[in-house]
Amino acid sequence: QAQLVNSGGEVKKPGASVKVSCKASGYNFRDYGIAWVRLGPGQGLEWVGWISTYNGNTKYSQSLQGRVTLTMDTSTSTAYMELRSLRSDDTATYYCAREDCSSGSCYPDYWGQGTLVTVSS
Amino acid sequence: DIQMTQSPSTLSASVGDRVTITCRASQSIGRWLAWYQQKPGKAPKLLIYKASSSGSGVPSRFSGSGSGTDFTLSISSLQPDDFATYFCLQYYSYSWAFGHGTKVEIK
Repeated sequence: QAQLVNSGGEVKKPGASVKVSCKASGYNFRDYGIAWVRLGPGQGLEWVGWISTYNGNTKYSQSLQGRVTLTMDTSTSTAYMELRSLRSDDTATYYCAREDCSSGSCYPDYWGQGTLVTVSS
Repeated sequence: DIQMTQSPSTLSASVGDRVTITCRASQSIGRWLAWYQQKPGKAPKLLIYKASSSGSGVPSRFSGSGSGTDFTLSISSLQPDDFATYFCLQYYSYSWAFGHGTKVEIK
């Protein structure tokens, strides 16, 4: 069974950067893309971006474009999300999710448990 | 951008009750809608995809319906393990949009 495990919580100061990892197991990492989603306090879920584990192509949310970078290491089946110039409203739980595209469009079928990133001075 | 409106935000129910949660899209999304269950501190779990197809291992008491702009998640007979938060997701457009969630509480 597929499993995604996010790295541990982080506390950062405004203006700093954070890099969150997502280690995949139980399936062929390169067969499914990885999406990132965040949930802020009192906010709804927000799509952050996507990376193709096949060729490394990426797509990003317009609201985060320029501050977020998605990367991967296929040798360790791990995806990464780096967010720069952190602000207090970036405080959120960040989830990775495996994308299933077998039914014609792509939706997340397995999710990580999330990483709480707290931005505070 | 497509917006998803989910209702109700909170629902109080008893074990054995039939429960219905709705999501409305701001424009037609065909059948590209999924439903998830989430418990505190845990990963979301896929219940339904493509509006009415069941995820792997999902109990038959969970069902989904709808197309276009209006969608429903039903739980036919609420079980103790079902008290959780449920949310919908539209994946018609690449910039996914989520419902704000429905917390199902014990009455």
